[in-house]
Amino acid sequence: RKEVEQDPGPFNVPEGATVAFNCTYSNSASQSFFWYRQDCRKEPKLLMSVYSSGNEDGRFTAQLNRASQYISLLIRDSKLSDSATYLCVVNIGSGGSNYKLTFGKGTLLTVNP
Amino acid sequence: DVKVTQSSRYLVKRTGEKVFLECVQDMDHENMFWYRQDPGLGLRLIYFSYDVKMKEKGDIPEGYSVSREKKERFSLILESASTNQTSMYLCASSLPVRVAGDQDTQYFGPGTRLTVL
Repeated sequence: RKEVEQDPGPFNVPEGATVAFNCTYSNSASQSFFWYRQDCRKEPKLLMSVYSSGNEDGRFTAQLNRASQYISLLIRDSKLSDSATYLCVVNIGSGGSNYKLTFGKGTLLTVNP
Repeated sequence: DVKVTQSSRYLVKRTGEKVFLECVQDMDHENMFWYRQDPGLGLRLIYFSYDVKMKEKGDIPEGYSVSREKKERFSLILESASTNQTSMYLCASSLPVRVAGDQDTQYFGPGTRLTVL
């Protein structure tokens, strides 16, 4: 099983649609979880952290299921500007020298007018 | 705002040349990272450093070395460039995670697209 696995897409949705991305991770010791966004030909940027209780930021909702080792991102009311690649990111350590983030390969989203 | 800069956006080199990629961050971050990103393979960690003069191998260190002489600067070196090192190279920095709950968000530079002919 790959360390962090995502559906590569592409997802093509109309404006206003709701779209969900899923991600699984293999290491049950993983401590922190993120969604990053990467626009075409740009660097990745943090979209949101993912907490056990789930968290919401405007139209974006992230959820974590530790038992199933599964992370999700829900985007409501999609905008054209949401078109990007969404990267699922996991850190297996919470201290010491383990600073490594493991990135999924990303899911490409295109929102169409 | 955190700023991570990389010395070049685009670079073209010949096989066998020694190549230096420079990265500078202005937020006094202890941790710095070098990744390469290739279509279908995602982001892969080459090396990282958690302190001045400290370095650790990432997942694909072969053919690369790094240097961290100052806290703000992390250099990636291709000793003898090869065509399979043609890629997008991304530098990142972050604060250390000292206790659970610390943010380990990584901030990326704009990337250097390296072509080796």
